[in-house]
Amino acid sequence: KQEVTQIPAALSVPEGENLVLNCSFTDSAIYNLQWFRQDPGKGLTSLLLIQSSQREQTSGRLNASLDKSSGRSTLYIAASQPGDSATYLCAVKGGQGGSEKLVFGKGTKLTVNP
Amino acid sequence: DGGITQSPKYLFRKEGQNVTLSCEQNLNHDAMYWYRQDPGQGLRLIYYSQIVNDFQKGDIAEGYSVSREKKESFPLTVTSAQKNPTAFYLCASSSWGGVAETQYFGPGTRLLVL
Repeated sequence: KQEVTQIPAALSVPEGENLVLNCSFTDSAIYNLQWFRQDPGKGLTSLLLIQSSQREQTSGRLNASLDKSSGRSTLYIAASQPGDSATYLCAVKGGQGGSEKLVFGKGTKLTVNP
Repeated sequence: DGGITQSPKYLFRKEGQNVTLSCEQNLNHDAMYWYRQDPGQGLRLIYYSQIVNDFQKGDIAEGYSVSREKKESFPLTVTSAQKNPTAFYLCASSSWGGVAETQYFGPGTRLLVL
């Protein structure tokens, strides 16, 4: 059964700092890995999707990498801003048996202090 | 505007009562999903539907029921058999299949027990 773990559970940084969020998964036979952002009491917004054949994706100040063989992904946020404060969720699609379902981690709650 | 709508934003349930959460999408997506989120937890899949008039149980389907009579709509009923219904419920939709398809999420419904 696919399991997704995110470390740390919470992170507090001063504005302007570069930071890394970590995600690991137990079954490397995935179709893709996605990073989502969730603001308090809101739905999820897709940030980046990395297909299993790709190594990384970039969008603005965000860069996500994927090492499928080791079962790890990182989300790098450059020059953090208070508006980046949110919970970041990692999710993988696929695994043994070819499931179309997404399996989510519990998230990392990020606070960027002005 | 294209997107997913959920209603109501807040819902209160009395003991022994069934309640229905609404989810509508105008993205022309074939697949729709219901997730439950508890504080500090990732999302857990309740039910999903790949196509009209067909749906599958997710990881925590007990105490819930769904229908998919129209492509645009996927209502979730929380029955009296669900003993711990207090949670944040999220609906999502996507195109089915493919390694580059992401899920789009609604704003969520918070269910509270009186």
